[in-house]
Amino acid sequence: NAGVMQNPRHLVRRRGQEARLRCSPMKGHSHVYWYRQLPEEGLKFMVYLQKENIIDESGMPKERFSAEFPKEGPSILRIQQVVRGDSAAYFCASSRGGDNQPQHFGDGTRLSIL
Amino acid sequence: GESVGLHLPTLSVQEGDNSIINCAYSNSASDYFIWYKQESGKGPQFIIDIRSNMDKRQGQRVTVLLNKTVKHLSLQIAATQPGDSAVYFCAEKDRRGYNKLIFGAGTRLAVHP
Repeated sequence: NAGVMQNPRHLVRRRGQEARLRCSPMKGHSHVYWYRQLPEEGLKFMVYLQKENIIDESGMPKERFSAEFPKEGPSILRIQQVVRGDSAAYFCASSRGGDNQPQHFGDGTRLSIL
Repeated sequence: GESVGLHLPTLSVQEGDNSIINCAYSNSASDYFIWYKQESGKGPQFIIDIRSNMDKRQGQRVTVLLNKTVKHLSLQIAATQPGDSAVYFCAEKDRRGYNKLIFGAGTRLAVHP
């Protein structure tokens, strides 16, 4: 009865490298969301995806960030050419289809940029 | 800025007492609200949700109240336990948009024996 699974739990990258964060939704969930959290702050929405479709990317930075949720496999949040300001906890959530369905979160990936 | 905010950043209570965590929102188009609990090093854990056509909903030891007139949301925890110590977030969803949640800054609940 696995919940939302994220990996890796911790990721260290040097400036200029690429970071790939993975998220497997809960069984039966077809909607995936990515959020970012800085220390002592609330979560900030980044992107909302369904299988093979980006539904809302209004919270994604215009450059260096991309997300996908392929037909097979986990959702991927990709950050190219990372900078120190990308250091944060990145959380994935999933939900069933339809309006007003609760989003259930994974335990996040803590990204540190050296 | 954020449309969801909290009155108190930190709340200290005695074990066994009832806790009330408050949240104000400004978006009259919000139609769905969720309370989450986040422990250190973990992701937000769903506690309870409420739709805008309701004003009260109860779960196990928790009650959420929604006052749309003053745009106020509260989470009541009965008989607070040490395991309830965490940061609590309210989140809202705008009915005109997609499913993205807007989170408040959080309230830290500290339960003392």
